[in-house]
Amino acid sequence: DAGVIQSPRHEVTEMGQEVTLRCKPISGHDYLFWYRQTMMRGLELLIYFNNNVPIDDSGMPEDRFSAKMPNASFSTLKIQPSEPRDSAVYFCASSLGLLIEQFFGPGTRLTVL
Amino acid sequence: KQEVTQIPAALSVPEGENLVLNCSFTDSAIYNLQWFRQDPGKGLTSLLLIQSSQREQTSGRLNASLDKSSGRSTLYIAASQPGDSATYLCAVSSGGSNYKLTFGKGTLLTVNP
Repeated sequence: DAGVIQSPRHEVTEMGQEVTLRCKPISGHDYLFWYRQTMMRGLELLIYFNNNVPIDDSGMPEDRFSAKMPNASFSTLKIQPSEPRDSAVYFCASSLGLLIEQFFGPGTRLTVL
Repeated sequence: KQEVTQIPAALSVPEGENLVLNCSFTDSAIYNLQWFRQDPGKGLTSLLLIQSSQREQTSGRLNASLDKSSGRSTLYIAASQPGDSATYLCAVSSGGSNYKLTFGKGTLLTVNP
């Protein structure tokens, strides 16, 4: 398996634009997680899915953030409209279970000007 | 609210030295604790996962210990090598029905040849 795949790897956009980050989890993994990493706050869990169903989105910072998982092999994290303070590295991870090892993707570095 | 602290924030050692990285957490009601490695511009790689009922886990030159009652974990790296240079993150799973994986901000390790 190629591991968790994220695209794009880098995204530069202007304030107010819509941003869509994509993730393909490892085949067979039932759990998918979205994280955000910043220097100030470190790594934070935004939302996670189990069998394509969102379980806990309490980490999503604002209504401008939304995430979907239309099928077992694809998830998106959307920010609309984007703001400079959204600049961060966004990671996707997947796992076979909730309390076992998570496998991380390489991340998407987002810069909002 | 669970908080995870890692000390020191940065550590520089000569090659061959044994070293210890520290992690502390505020709520001892955890499911497990994980140590991750993060290389610059890359995602996280899981190194060791210790269940709450365990005291330690070993993998090669790495040994992680867990003292749940005192809210502490250590990662011991034996005979350090320049290739060990990376940021090491500690994360705890907790939250009961509201699962959370809470990360520390990491220790940046530099092993000098």
